[in-house]
Amino acid sequence: GENVEQHPSTLSVQEGDSAVIKCTYSDSASNYFPWYKQELGKGPQLIIDIRSNVGEKKDQRIAVTLNKTAKHFSLHITETQPEDSAVYFCAASIQGNQFYFGTGTSLTVIP
Amino acid sequence: EPEVTQTPSHQVTQMGQEVILRCVPISNHLYFYWYRQILGQKVEFLVSFYNNEISEKSEIFDDQFSVERPDGSNFTLKIRSTKLEDSAMYFCASSEEVSSYNEQFFGPGTRLTVL
Repeated sequence: GENVEQHPSTLSVQEGDSAVIKCTYSDSASNYFPWYKQELGKGPQLIIDIRSNVGEKKDQRIAVTLNKTAKHFSLHITETQPEDSAVYFCAASIQGNQFYFGTGTSLTVIP
Repeated sequence: EPEVTQTPSHQVTQMGQEVILRCVPISNHLYFYWYRQILGQKVEFLVSFYNNEISEKSEIFDDQFSVERPDGSNFTLKIRSTKLEDSAMYFCASSEEVSSYNEQFFGPGTRLTVL
């Protein structure tokens, strides 16, 4: 089955700096890649997603890139703010049914 | 904004006991999921459910687990005889449809502790 690896496991950045989280996947049939943000005591919330027919997608300070050949995708957060502090999960999906998640990245934005 | 809700937020049980975790998916959603996350590990898929039957399940979802939609709003996960290794956070999710580009909405989770 699909295996998703995520790095780094923890990330600390100064407020205003950029943060990058990287994921790799193993199954070339995966075609949907969502990113979830999980705040303390809450369930994962979708922040951005990308489909396999697109190489990059941006939504304000958040962007995601996908390299299908290398089977990796990345989350980029620019101008980080303290409220960006959370655990971020990448996931891969084949045909939108079950999601395969990465291990999560705990992001801390230092004011 | 509609959201997925789960009860209880924390469940403590003795090994061997049965537990039922409850979820109320978003009202117009048709597809329902259970995931679990053991502390410090990945979120893992357990089962998906559509039209009153299981559509897909993982190796984790063995005979000790069952799911049910007992009425028009609730979606439950039952563990018949809990084991210590069932201690985890259990997330329910729902989606409007299943397609190649499908957003799943997650609930806040139920933390299950098996003693």
